[in-house]
Amino acid sequence: GQQVMQIPQYQHVQEGEDFTTYCNSSTTLSNIQWYKQRPGGHPVFLIQLVKSGEVKKQKRLTFQFGEAKKNSSLHITATQTTDVGTYFCAGRPVRSSGTYKYIFGTGTRLKVLA
Amino acid sequence: EPEVTQTPSHQVTQMGQEVILRCVPISNHLYFYWYRQILGQKVEFLVSFYNNEISEKSEIFDDQFSVERPDGSNFTLKIRSTKLEDSAMYFCATRREGGTGELFFGEGSRLTVL
Repeated sequence: GQQVMQIPQYQHVQEGEDFTTYCNSSTTLSNIQWYKQRPGGHPVFLIQLVKSGEVKKQKRLTFQFGEAKKNSSLHITATQTTDVGTYFCAGRPVRSSGTYKYIFGTGTRLKVLA
Repeated sequence: EPEVTQTPSHQVTQMGQEVILRCVPISNHLYFYWYRQILGQKVEFLVSFYNNEISEKSEIFDDQFSVERPDGSNFTLKIRSTKLEDSAMYFCATRREGGTGELFFGEGSRLTVL
């Protein structure tokens, strides 16, 4: 079955350092979304990328979608303690029906040390 | 801001018992999903539901699971005979027609099977 892997699994950074998580799908994706889950919370939508090679920015967050639409990355510049949580990518397989089934990645848990 | 609400927030049950988890979607959303997350692990797709029928389901969603929208508002997940490995956080998510494809997640229902 389709798999969506993320690396690293865990990342501890000092506040102010940058952070990147990488997402890789075993199959081509129609689009990809990113979610953040705070400890004890539920996933919260951050962004969706649709086009091959697309780059989007939200303040300190930069999202990229690979040219082959099989990988993506999230980069956070100058992390803050509020960035703590688990970041999931969620890919919609090309062959998925119109219900927009999203397969979540394995997640990267970020801890920020003050 | 509209939100997805789930009940109960936590349910403890004995192995073999039936469990029903309930979700009230955001009012103008048409696509409904159940995901589950075993503690500390990734968010796993169970089933998607549209137009009063299942659209897609995963291998996890076997004959022990069922979903329905009995009264046009609540969206329920039933587990007929719970197993120890069903212990997890179950998230309901909904999506509206068009838009960004963003999934709006509820707070989750934690199921503990003893």
